[in-house]
Amino acid sequence: QITLKESGPTLVKPTQTLTLTCTFSGFSLSTGGVGVGWIRQPPGKALEWLALIYWNDDKRYSPSLKSRLTITKDTSKNQVVLTMTYVDPVDTATYYCAHATGYYFDSWGQGTLVTVSS
Amino acid sequence: QSALTQPASVSGSPGQSITISCTGTSSDVGSYNLVSWYQQHPGKAPQVMVYEVSKRPSGVSNRFSGSKSGNTASLTISGLQAEDEAHYYCCSYASSSTWVFGGGTKLTVL
Repeated sequence: QITLKESGPTLVKPTQTLTLTCTFSGFSLSTGGVGVGWIRQPPGKALEWLALIYWNDDKRYSPSLKSRLTITKDTSKNQVVLTMTYVDPVDTATYYCAHATGYYFDSWGQGTLVTVSS
Repeated sequence: QSALTQPASVSGSPGQSITISCTGTSSDVGSYNLVSWYQQHPGKAPQVMVYEVSKRPSGVSNRFSGSKSGNTASLTISGLQAEDEAHYYCCSYASSSTWVFGGGTKLTVL
C-alpha cells in the first residue's frame, strides 16, 4: 500500500523560503519508472502542477515557477523535498505530493495547508 | 503553459449521464494520449478516475469513461449517483515534459 504525507510550516512570511517534505512508504524512488510530484491548490481554486522528480533524479518544473522551485530526493529516507523561494501571499495553498507512475498521479498525500502572511 | 479549459459546473439527475470536457492545445491534449481525470470531494485529496485518456485504475467504477478527440478530452459518468457529486479535474502531459491541470468542474447531482 502506497502512502505519502506532506510536512512543513503552516505559516511563512513573504519573501521567505518554503521547504516542504514528502515522506512516503510502499514504494522505492529507486525503482525504474517511478516519480514523485508536487501539486498545489489555493483555497477554493484549481489544482496546479509544480514539480516532479524521477527515480533517475531527472527533475521537471512548472515553467511559470521554475526559477523559484527546487525538488530533491533522499532515497534512503524515502523523502522528497520541495523548496520554494521568495514566497508571496498568492502562494497560500494546500500542497500535495503524489506518486507518479507513467504519466499520472495514482496516490496522493493528504495535503498540507501553507499560509503566506506577515 | 495555460490551464486546460473545463466548464465551471455541470449537473445531472441520478441515473443520468453527464460529460465533462477538457480543452487544451496541440502542445498538450492534442499531442499526447496522456490525459488523466481526478475526482476531489470537499476537504479530500484528489483521486485518479481515468488515466491515459480512457483507462480505469482498478477499483474505479466502469460508470466512468474517458475519450479524446483532437485537442479536447472528455470524461463521461453514466448512471449518476449522489456520491459522484464532487469537483473533477483533467490533467495532461505537455511539451517539455511538464503537466498541466484544468480549471476544474463542479458536478452537482440534482
